[in-house]
Amino acid sequence: AQKVTQAQTEISVVEKEDVTLDCVYETRDTTYYLFWYKQPPSGELVFLIRRNSFDEQNEISGRYSWNFQKSTSSFNFTITASQVVDSAVYFCALRTDKLIFGTGTRLQVFP
Amino acid sequence: EAGVVQSPRYKIIEKKQPVAFWCNPISGHNTLYWYRQNLGQGPELLIRYENEEAVDDSQLPKDRFSAERLKGVDSTLKIQPAELGDSAVYLCASSPRGTPGHEAFFGQGTRLTVV
Repeated sequence: AQKVTQAQTEISVVEKEDVTLDCVYETRDTTYYLFWYKQPPSGELVFLIRRNSFDEQNEISGRYSWNFQKSTSSFNFTITASQVVDSAVYFCALRTDKLIFGTGTRLQVFP
Repeated sequence: EAGVVQSPRYKIIEKKQPVAFWCNPISGHNTLYWYRQNLGQGPELLIRYENEEAVDDSQLPKDRFSAERLKGVDSTLKIQPAELGDSAVYLCASSPRGTPGHEAFFGQGTRLTVV
């Protein structure tokens, strides 16, 4: 069975704070892909990053960074120096034959 | 390049009435998905198409939901009759190929309210 768990329902931070969103996944497949999506108030899911199961290299893109650890089945997302525009719901997703999502973490960044 | 287009953006209907949602995927994308997103939840897959073939409809409530993708391009999702519990956002997404590595691109969704 496949499952994605985002234990943090909601996180509130003040601008410029660093924040980490947790994601834990379950799958028996050896080949799979992990994704993070952002859903702003407008509702459209915006793709942020993709990782395949054979590539455990961490990635940094501007203020965003991702930590993939197969040993703990985790794919965590860190925003450095958060900004108000980062306020949104963030979804972690897992794909083998189908793409399934976690329940999301609502991030609120206050000025 | 135009993104995934969905219409209508909002729909309010009375229970037991039929409703249809339309999706135009990104040009050239063979794979099309319909998801349902309940308030405070993540999207849940309803059906996945590869071209015009529905390859995964195991989560589609077939007693009242139907979908089609004629000619492997546009798609329509229908509910008949609608129930109160169908109130949700219905998201359409597409990706270039059916291989897992390609990310899905989402439309803005149709927010359905059944009263």
